[in-house]
Amino acid sequence: EAQVTQNPRYLITVTGKKLTVTCSQNMNHEYMSWYRQDPGLGLRQIYYSMNVEVTDKGDVPEGYKVSRKEKRNFPLILESPSPNQTSLYFCASSWGGEQYFGPGTRLTVT
Amino acid sequence: ILNVEQSPQSLHVQEGDSTNFTCSFPSSNFYALHWYRWETAKSPEALFVMTLNGDEKKKGRISATLNTKEGYSYLYIKGSQPEDSATYLCAFIIHAGNMLTFGGGTRLMVKP
Repeated sequence: EAQVTQNPRYLITVTGKKLTVTCSQNMNHEYMSWYRQDPGLGLRQIYYSMNVEVTDKGDVPEGYKVSRKEKRNFPLILESPSPNQTSLYFCASSWGGEQYFGPGTRLTVT
Repeated sequence: ILNVEQSPQSLHVQEGDSTNFTCSFPSSNFYALHWYRWETAKSPEALFVMTLNGDEKKKGRISATLNTKEGYSYLYIKGSQPEDSATYLCAFIIHAGNMLTFGGGTRLMVKP
């Protein structure tokens, strides 16, 4: 089944404790991206990647890192999470057209 | 930061009503416009990818039009059903491989 998977789906953590949210797609898509969704602010793009080893900042990259060492994986790294990074995160992949979204990761930073 | 606006923010209609809402985007440097349907507790799912001025696309009772010269797209739902209740998002792209900029969405609630 063609899909985008994210792990974990839910995470509660403390300020400053490094974490990684994984994202994987099995559709051989070149384009992958990360979004956060906050009430009243809609979906905002954090980082995107057009291909392996190519990443670019989106609208809200501060406090996040990504890597794209292989085509199928695009992890999101929070080196030192802060409470303002509490949000719902979506990973998505695409062949260049419509985006296929993962199930979302709800992150709470206390 | 590109400005993509959707209106209205929310909409309540009765079952059977037809409805439409708007996505406005910068009319310069257009590459593509996407429409997504986002149900509560689920992930956004693509409805349409529109690339040409004058494009009209249809999927069942849902259709969309695109005017790139004036920078707007309309989404129409004919004979709304309760299962159409969702947030409808548009996303604007200025060139291939570039980031998507989403509008704030229109939340549609269809009452039985």
